[in-house]
Amino acid sequence: GAGVSQTPSNKVTEKGKYVELRCDPISGHTALYWYRQSLGQGPEFLIYFQGTGAADDSGLPNDRFFAVRPEGSVSTLKIQRTERGDSAMYLCASSTGTSGRNEQFFGPGTRLTVL
Amino acid sequence: SQQGEEDPQALSIQEGENATMNCSYKTSINNLQWYRQNSGRGLVHLILIRSNEREKHSGRLRVTLDTSKKSSSLLITASRAADTASYFCATDVRGSYIPTFGRGTSLIVHP
Repeated sequence: GAGVSQTPSNKVTEKGKYVELRCDPISGHTALYWYRQSLGQGPEFLIYFQGTGAADDSGLPNDRFFAVRPEGSVSTLKIQRTERGDSAMYLCASSTGTSGRNEQFFGPGTRLTVL
Repeated sequence: SQQGEEDPQALSIQEGENATMNCSYKTSINNLQWYRQNSGRGLVHLILIRSNEREKHSGRLRVTLDTSKKSSSLLITASRAADTASYFCATDVRGSYIPTFGRGTSLIVHP
């Protein structure tokens, strides 16, 4: 089937606004990861889902960031009261398992710009 | 903090030459993976090497792993302009299921 998709591809918002970023993983993939990538850096882990539950949210920078995956498929990353420092590429990845042995399939990302 | 660090940060070569990128990491790992990222796009998985393996090949790619030195290398032979991209290593620290990425090597292959 199709690969991982993310919408929107680009999001421009103003400081203080609320944004939602969506990720559609590959069908059947139980594991879903969110990463944030700044220019010239590698992906930085934010949160990991196994099924519907957030198995590890230790990478979320603060309580303005929240993510859900209510039915174990689509996930939404939510950012409240956006700040200019939140500007980055947000990447979603899914895989069939939970260990590092499993290849992660990445989406194209959402470029977030906070003005 | 970054578990893996790629070296060099940037590499510029001519088409047909070989490109070698290195990755060093700090703690014991289960697996190490290499990914490629074209500008402004998502990452694409290239190859995975387990901690008990020393070398793997995939097409024009050759990956080595030296666990005693905590380092890995990615060799791209007979490079093409289409190989221009950033290359990242990701390590799976023992006891963790979260791959940790380095800052990447930016490779430019001139036609």
